[in-house]
Amino acid sequence: KAGVTQTPRYLIKTRGQQVTLSCSPISGHRSVSWYQQTPGQGLQFLFEYFSETQRNKGNFPGRFSGRQFSNSRSEMNVSTLELGDSALYLCASSPLRPDTQYFGPGTRLTVL
Amino acid sequence: ELKVEQNPLFLSMQEGKNYTIYCNYSTTSDRLYWYRQDPGKSLESLFVLLSNGAVKQEGRLMASLDTKARLSTLHITAAVHDLSATYFCAGILNTGTASKLTFGTGTRLQVTL
Repeated sequence: KAGVTQTPRYLIKTRGQQVTLSCSPISGHRSVSWYQQTPGQGLQFLFEYFSETQRNKGNFPGRFSGRQFSNSRSEMNVSTLELGDSALYLCASSPLRPDTQYFGPGTRLTVL
Repeated sequence: ELKVEQNPLFLSMQEGKNYTIYCNYSTTSDRLYWYRQDPGKSLESLFVLLSNGAVKQEGRLMASLDTKARLSTLHITAAVHDLSATYFCAGILNTGTASKLTFGTGTRLQVTL
């Protein structure tokens, strides 16, 4: 079974731009969660989607948004990028909630 | 709100030695997870602990859960260099129909010859 895939793997943007990251969960998994990992703040929960509905949201500003499609693929969008948004963005999927979450390889975003 | 604390933050140990990583959490967690992360890589699931007294073992790693003490431990037996990585514990708090992982700060393990 293929694992969680994320695209792109690396991204460089400048302040003020916006970015969209994509995540394809493991086949059959309906829950997709997003996390941000930085050296200073560690791993922080962004949001979770289940059956195209956002079920939970972390403490991030409204510039961070996401969505899930009917095939369970998910995207997250960050608008008006700031330097502090530079991070590894990890997507995780699970078949049910709660259940073990399986993480993708991540997208490393650098904001200049 | 669930808070998860790990210690130590950094652990340097010699091959062949034993050591334990501690994970304390602040409130009832429905389950407790352990993950491993290699540098520049994603998170690999190691264990999920579901109930008080749960113990799971895989190779040289053994995880346990004490829900009364709100403590989980990851014990490393006879460490080898391949175990060098960062280990995270994470709790999960079901809030109605939603759930999210709350991670500890991670323990960076370095196994030296």
